[in-house]
Amino acid sequence: GQQLNQSPQSMFIQEGEDVSMNCTSSSIFNTWLWYKQDPGEGPVLLIALYKAGELTSNGRLTAQFGITRKDSFLNISASIPSDVGIYFCAGRDSGAGSYQLTFGKGTKLSVIP
Amino acid sequence: DSGVTQTPKHLITATGQRVTLRCSPRSGDLSVYWYQQSLDQGLQFLIQYYNGEERAKGNILERFSAQQFPDLHSELNLSSLELGDSALYFCASKQGPNTEAFFGQGTRLTVV
Repeated sequence: GQQLNQSPQSMFIQEGEDVSMNCTSSSIFNTWLWYKQDPGEGPVLLIALYKAGELTSNGRLTAQFGITRKDSFLNISASIPSDVGIYFCAGRDSGAGSYQLTFGKGTKLSVIP
Repeated sequence: DSGVTQTPKHLITATGQRVTLRCSPRSGDLSVYWYQQSLDQGLQFLIQYYNGEERAKGNILERFSAQQFPDLHSELNLSSLELGDSALYFCASKQGPNTEAFFGQGTRLTVV
C-alpha cells in the first residue's frame, strides 16, 4: 500500500521560531492535506493543496505541493504556544475512486514559551 | 466543533466482547469514513460509506463491520475484541468529491 514518511517525528522549538516539516511518498498523490490534532480531539484541516507546485498560505502557515506530486511541506512562522499539537500530512489518490486519505505518522510540535 | 458527532467518547470493554461505535455526520454530508488511530500505526483508513452503500474498504479486519443507515448516521461494529484493538476510532464526513472531510472527536476504545 501507499506509505507516507513524515519528518521530523517531534520537535521542540522556542516561541517565535519558524518551523518546517515535510512528507514524502512512495507514490503520486492528487491532493495533499495538512491537519492538526490537539489532545482528545479529531484532526482539523489546516491547508489543502490540489495542484503540483501549488503554494498556499493560511495565516502563519504555508504549505507546498511538490512538483513530483510525491512530497509536501508545511511551514509555520513565528510560532506561538497554541501551535502545540500533532501535525499530520495526508495524501489522496482520487483515482482510487473513494477519496480515502493516507496519513503520515505525524510531527509532534512542542513550543517553549 | 466540526459538526460530526461520535458516541461514546470513551469505551472500556473486555477481550472477546463486541461493541458498536456511532457516528452522526454533518448535516447534508453523504460520505462517512472510519479511521483507526493507534500509537504505532497512526491513522489508518478502515471503510467508507456513501449514501448508505459501502464505497471502499481499507485495512479493516473481518471482525469489524460497518453500516450507514437511511438517516446517514453510521455504526462501526467491532467484535471478538483483542487487546490490540485498543485505539482511537474516528469518523469523518464529507459532502461530495470536491470537498474535504471533517473529523469527529473520536471514540477511545480500551480493551482490557
